[in-house]
Amino acid sequence: GAVVSQHPSRVICKSGTSVKIECRSLDFQATTMFWYRQFPKQSLMLMATSNEGSKATYEQGVEKDKFLINHASLTLSTLTVTSAHPEDSSFYICSARSSGKNIQYFGAGTRLSVL
Amino acid sequence: QKEVEQDPGPLSVPEGAIVSLNCTYSNSAFQYFMWYRQYSRKGPELLMYTYSSGNKEDGRFTAQVDKSSKYISLFIRDSQPSDSATYLCAMSADDYKLSFGAGTTVTVRA
Repeated sequence: GAVVSQHPSRVICKSGTSVKIECRSLDFQATTMFWYRQFPKQSLMLMATSNEGSKATYEQGVEKDKFLINHASLTLSTLTVTSAHPEDSSFYICSARSSGKNIQYFGAGTRLSVL
Repeated sequence: QKEVEQDPGPLSVPEGAIVSLNCTYSNSAFQYFMWYRQYSRKGPELLMYTYSSGNKEDGRFTAQVDKSSKYISLFIRDSQPSDSATYLCAMSADDYKLSFGAGTTVTVRA
């Protein structure tokens, strides 16, 4: 149980385009989903927290207009990187927390490369 | 000072050895403690979850939490080459936001 599916696993895009990443909890309802960014040989950096049906809460320094988060249902959250730039190239990971438990289960991550 | 301190290693051990990992933290509000394993270019995988102080054992893995010392540990017995990965400690208070350690890179030599 507690499987989180994240797609795509790898995406290459041109500078200026937008990229959408999906995060789904397959066997549980996720009250809260989180989006992280991870640079090489570093730990995870929380970007934003999203609760189903409400606006996401962004961490300090994260541009909400650049990283659009939608949490339309209890099993799906999306992160859209708008007008991507090469400096947005990174490893993005989502996680989901089931209601009543304080455990986050992570997706496999998405490696974004912006050319 | 970081909220969670973890020695990044790297740590190299022979197959069959005990791997000992630990983290210290400063926030006394932390109550939930987790260890994740992350292989290269993959998302973190939950290994152990502990609420408050105490020990927990699951197969070859043992997690210990000492809230009085603000110190948590993970022990891996009979280590295997497949245990080679980065191990992340993580913890949270009631706000559910995780604070991570830097991660320790472990290599188990065959």
